[in-house]
This record gives sequence, C-alpha cells and structure tokens, in this order.
Amino acid sequence: AQTVTQSQPEMSVQEAETVTLSCTYDTSESDYYLFWYKQPPSRQMILVIRQEAYKQQNATENRFSVNFQKAAKSFSLKISDSQLGDAAMYFCAYRSPDSGTYKYIFGTGTRLKVLA
Amino acid sequence: NAGVMQNPRHLVRRRGQEARLRCSPMKGHSHVYWYRQLPEEGLKFMVYLQKENIIDESGMPKERFSAEFPKEGPSILRIQQVVRGDSAAYFCASSERQMLNTEAFFGQGTRLTVV
Repeated sequence: AQTVTQSQPEMSVQEAETVTLSCTYDTSESDYYLFWYKQPPSRQMILVIRQEAYKQQNATENRFSVNFQKAAKSFSLKISDSQLGDAAMYFCAYRSPDSGTYKYIFGTGTRLKVLA
Repeated sequence: NAGVMQNPRHLVRRRGQEARLRCSPMKGHSHVYWYRQLPEEGLKFMVYLQKENIIDESGMPKERFSAEFPKEGPSILRIQQVVRGDSAAYFCASSERQMLNTEAFFGQGTRLTVV
C-alpha cells in the first residue's frame, strides 16, 4: 500500500527567509503524481505545486519549488522569501491510477508558522 | 464556474442523530471523492463515486456510513447514529475525468461536531 510520511509536525520561519518542508512516500507504482497542498484556517485545500513522477525537472511555482528525488522517494517543498500569508498547514499528497480510483493519499501535515 | 460547494459548513448533532453532508461538484464533473480529516491529522480517503455508482468505498466504515451520488442533485454522505468519534471535517473533491493529470478540486469541508 502507498504511504506518505511528513516527519515535521511543525516548522517556523522568519519572514523573508527560506524554509523546506519534508515528505517521503512509499510506492511500487511507476506512474504517479505528487502534490503539496496548503490548508489555511479557512480549511480550504489550496494546490500549491505538483510534480509528475516521469518528469526529472523539479516543479517551480513562483516562490515555491520542490526537490523531487525519485530513487529516494523524497518530495520536499521549498518556500523562498516567506510571507505572513504562507502560515498554514501543508500537506504532501500522492496520487496514482490505483486500479482506476485515482484517489489522493495524504501525509499528516506540517504546520508552518511565519514569524514577523 | 463555481467551485465545489459543500453544505453545511458546520453541523452539530447529538449522539444517536443522523448527519447528512452535501457536496455539489463543479459543473461538468462526474467524479466525487469524500475524505475525512480528524483533528490534527491529514485527510483520509473514504469513498469514490461516479454518477449513480459507488466505485470504491474501501475507506468507509462498514456500519452507519453511506454515500450516494444521484443522477440529479448533490452527492450525500450520510452518517447514522453519530458518535463522538465521528467529529471531524469532511471534505468532498470532484474531477472532470479519471486521468492522472486531471486535477481534483476540493470543497471547503463540513465540520461535524457530535455532542
């Protein structure tokens, strides 16, 4: 069974600094996507960035980038120039065809605090 | 195009009552997922439905929980005889197609509190 592990329950970063959130996963599938979602206090799940397993190039979205290490099954999120609005829960997620279900499997989350 | 709409946002039920959670997918989306988020935890898959069919309910508790997605109207997650342990946020997500590169969009969730 596929699993997603986030080993950092909470992280803090100073405003304008850079922070990296860790995620590892376990799968025997070859075709899958990985995601980072942001969940602010409103509870809305906001897609931050996604990475296709077949793409070697790391995905980047403005201040957000990933370090995808397929062999190590590692998928970390780097947030540059952190802003107060980045404070939220961050969830790493995995998605594969999984017999046609395409369901997401989420980690337990990392709470990011941004210090002014 | 409105996003995935869930209602109510907050629901309070006494132990033993029934809870009905509604999810209206985005226009044109015929695939719906329900997830449960317990306090301080990630989202856990419960059930996947297409119009009028339950495709995968491997994450649903065997008793008291049921889900439907009728031809017309929203998807409903129904919890009978609620207990304190059912208190959680319940999220719905919808997608247009079942392809890996097709994004699923999440609603804002329903927070169920059982007193």
